[in-house]
Amino acid sequence: KNQVEQSPQSLIILEGKNCTLQCNYTVSPFSNLRWYKQDTGRGPVSLTIMTFSENTKSNGRYTATLDADTKQSSLHITASQLSDSASYICVVSNNDYKLSFGAGTTVTVRA
Amino acid sequence: GAGVSQSPSNKVTEKGKDVELRCDPISGHTALYWYRQSLGQGLEFLIYFQGNSAPDKSGLPSDRFSAERTGGSVSTLTIQRTQQEDSAVYLCASSLGLTQYFGPGTRLLVL
Repeated sequence: KNQVEQSPQSLIILEGKNCTLQCNYTVSPFSNLRWYKQDTGRGPVSLTIMTFSENTKSNGRYTATLDADTKQSSLHITASQLSDSASYICVVSNNDYKLSFGAGTTVTVRA
Repeated sequence: GAGVSQSPSNKVTEKGKDVELRCDPISGHTALYWYRQSLGQGLEFLIYFQGNSAPDKSGLPSDRFSAERTGGSVSTLTIQRTQQEDSAVYLCASSLGLTQYFGPGTRLLVL
């Protein structure tokens, strides 16, 4: 069964600090890896999409990395803001539309 | 519209009743997806529509679940004879390329 595991399950950080979220996957074959941000009560919003050949991709203060050999990805949040409080979901695709979702990491940013 | 919309936003029903959930995708998007998000779980793929092609129904958990997409636009997810384990958030997404754009979801509670 294709699996996407995320860690930690949740974390609390102070405003202005950085944090890194981890994602390990066993999805095969691999097409692309995505990170989504889901605010409470809202649908997920895409942050980054990376294909096999991409090692890193940034979207503002969010930077995602991908190591397709070890099947690991990370999402780094720089200089966190209160609005970064959300669930961050790692999603892996083995074709263009069928996605495997991680359970998410809940990030809480405190002032 | 500006984004994917879903209705109702919340639905409370009694066990055994049928429910219909509606999704209005972004205009022009050819692909439409339904997902289920249970508390603490990753999103679960239900069904995928692409243009006039036969839908991929491989994620539907039982024959109580069905979905239609009329005229290549609006979609309805129907759950017959609802059970308590059907309680979840049902998310719809649409896309033209790789990026899927999600609606806010319908929160279904089966009593």
